[in-house]
Amino acid sequence: DVKVTQSSRYLVKRTGEKVFLECVQDMDHENMFWYRQDPGLGLRLIYFSYDVKMKEKGDIPEGYSVSREKKERFSLILESASTNQTSMYLCASSLGFGNYEQYFGPGTRLTVT
Amino acid sequence: GNSVTQMEGPVTLSEEAFLTINCTYTATGYPSLFWYVQYPGEGLQLLLKATKADDKGSNKGFEATYRKETTSFHLEKGSVQVSDSAVYFCALLSGAPYNQGGKLIFGQGTELSVKP
Repeated sequence: DVKVTQSSRYLVKRTGEKVFLECVQDMDHENMFWYRQDPGLGLRLIYFSYDVKMKEKGDIPEGYSVSREKKERFSLILESASTNQTSMYLCASSLGFGNYEQYFGPGTRLTVT
Repeated sequence: GNSVTQMEGPVTLSEEAFLTINCTYTATGYPSLFWYVQYPGEGLQLLLKATKADDKGSNKGFEATYRKETTSFHLEKGSVQVSDSAVYFCALLSGAPYNQGGKLIFGQGTELSVKP
């Protein structure tokens, strides 16, 4: 089974802190994604990566950056957390090469106070 | 641009009732369509998919048919169970020429609650 793990299920940070959310997949997938999930808005794509050291902006990249130094790991960085970044963050991966099914991690619920 | 619209929830049904969750989309070309399910406290799981017009995806008693003429992909189940209580997301695959992976565009989600 494909496994996507996220470093924390729950996280509480203060405004202005630098926050790192980590995601690891164990199936040698090419593509990795970060979404945020908010009630009534569904999932919105923040950033994605289709190769090591490659990244592309999604629909709402402002206030976020990402890092993919190794194929299995994709990190989301909030440079200076703000209260409007309180949300559920979901990581996903897909094999690529015509196989687009995305596998999701359990999510990290981030609260910024 | 591409978009997905789902019926608003929450939807509350009694066990063994018939379920329909409406999903319509706007897209250029012929995107692949998906239904994902999110059980409480978990990430999303793929429930079913359809890759071309008139395809029917099915899994765990759920079905959805890709209707190009009405740009719809409604989710149905003949007899729901308490264990089907979850949030259901309709999504379409939006390809990008520079990306092998494609991007999923999600609807806002529909919460289903099934009572015994």
